[in-house]
Amino acid sequence: GAVVSQHPSWVICKSGTSVKIECRSLDFQATTMFWYRQFPKQSLMLMATSNEGSKATYEQGVEKDKFLINHASLTLSTLTVTSAHPEDSSFYICSASGTGGAGYTFGSGTRLTVV
Amino acid sequence: SQKIEQNSEALNIQEGKTATLTCNYTNYSPAYLQWYRQDPGRGPVFLLLIRENEKEKRKERLKVTFDTTLKQSLFHITASQPADSATYLCALYNFNKFYFGSGTKLNVKP
Repeated sequence: GAVVSQHPSWVICKSGTSVKIECRSLDFQATTMFWYRQFPKQSLMLMATSNEGSKATYEQGVEKDKFLINHASLTLSTLTVTSAHPEDSSFYICSASGTGGAGYTFGSGTRLTVV
Repeated sequence: SQKIEQNSEALNIQEGKTATLTCNYTNYSPAYLQWYRQDPGRGPVFLLLIRENEKEKRKERLKVTFDTTLKQSLFHITASQPADSATYLCALYNFNKFYFGSGTKLNVKP
């Protein structure tokens, strides 16, 4: 079945630094990638939707300059949290939709802790 | 406002019994609804999809119903096992996006 690989699985960074999270579709072409954030015991909140080769569409209230999304190829999308602050600490999850009936497949998530 | 409600309290059941989880929504007209399983510290794993014109869908021990009049979906796990213990999320697909409930934690006791 379709597999989405997300790295790193966890990361700890200092306040003010930037962190990049990668999401790769391993056996299908991901025409669309979704990035979510999930706080403990809460639902997944969609942050942005990106289509390969075009700019991401951000949800209301999500700062595009803080959460940089790049979807340069059909198998790779990245989310960069710039100038991270402790309130950015969360669980970030990507999801990919592609061709060939791959449906929507989620990555395993990245636990970000900003200290 | 749009809402997706899942019981926030954990559901505790005995092994072998049927677990029934509920997803209620308001102010959506979803084209379809999905159920996912999420284990701690992991991303959601897709289980079942049911479309707006379908009443029921089955897959092995899993069964999903979808009542667009009541705006409700029920998720059943029959002959539950301790390995079924996890958080189960419902997600509505509307206007090219997924909207998730906060999930219900299921504990199956041996």
